[in-house]
Amino acid sequence: KAGVTQTPRYLIKTRGQQVTLSCSPISGHRSVSWYQQTPGQGLQFLFEYFSETQRNKGNFPGRFSGRQFSNSRSEMNVSTLELGDSALYLCASSFGGYNQPQHFGDGTRLSIL
Amino acid sequence: KNQVEQSPQSLIILEGKNCTLQCNYTVSPFSNLRWYKQDTGRGPVSLTIMTFSENTKSNGRYTATLDADTKQSSLHITASQLSDSASYICVVSEGGGGSQGNLIFGKGTKLSVKP
Repeated sequence: KAGVTQTPRYLIKTRGQQVTLSCSPISGHRSVSWYQQTPGQGLQFLFEYFSETQRNKGNFPGRFSGRQFSNSRSEMNVSTLELGDSALYLCASSFGGYNQPQHFGDGTRLSIL
Repeated sequence: KNQVEQSPQSLIILEGKNCTLQCNYTVSPFSNLRWYKQDTGRGPVSLTIMTFSENTKSNGRYTATLDADTKQSSLHITASQLSDSASYICVVSEGGGGSQGNLIFGKGTKLSVKP
């Protein structure tokens, strides 16, 4: 069974640009969550999508947005990039229940110059 | 403010020894508590998930405990192996309906197992 796939693995952007990251969940999983991981803040929850609807949201500015398609694949977009957005962005999928384990991809490493 | 605090920040043990990692939280409302293992350069891997009514759960050599009254959890690793070297992250779900809710992450404990 294929795991969670995130593309690209590495990305370099400059301040002010925007970026789109992609996540393909495990087959059958309907929930996709996104996280930001930095050395200083650790892992922080961005948002969760379930059946194409945003179901939960963390405390990030509106520059961070996402969407989910009918096949459960998800994209995350960050606009007007700032230096502080440099981080590892992780995506996780699950069947969607509150008690379900999440399966993480290996992330996209985003560097802002 | 909802917070998850883990201790120690880092730990070095010898192969074959046991160790216990701690997690204290102030998250409310509480839905469940999760422990993850994260190897360097990889995404986290789920070890255990415990709800309010569960006070212990095992996954091989990993045993997690939960005291919902004191809002404390621990992860005990038995007979450590070199492959246990990783960061261990405690996560508490605020919950809400049938979804996972907002997840609050601890900063993790970095475990190094030496031969």
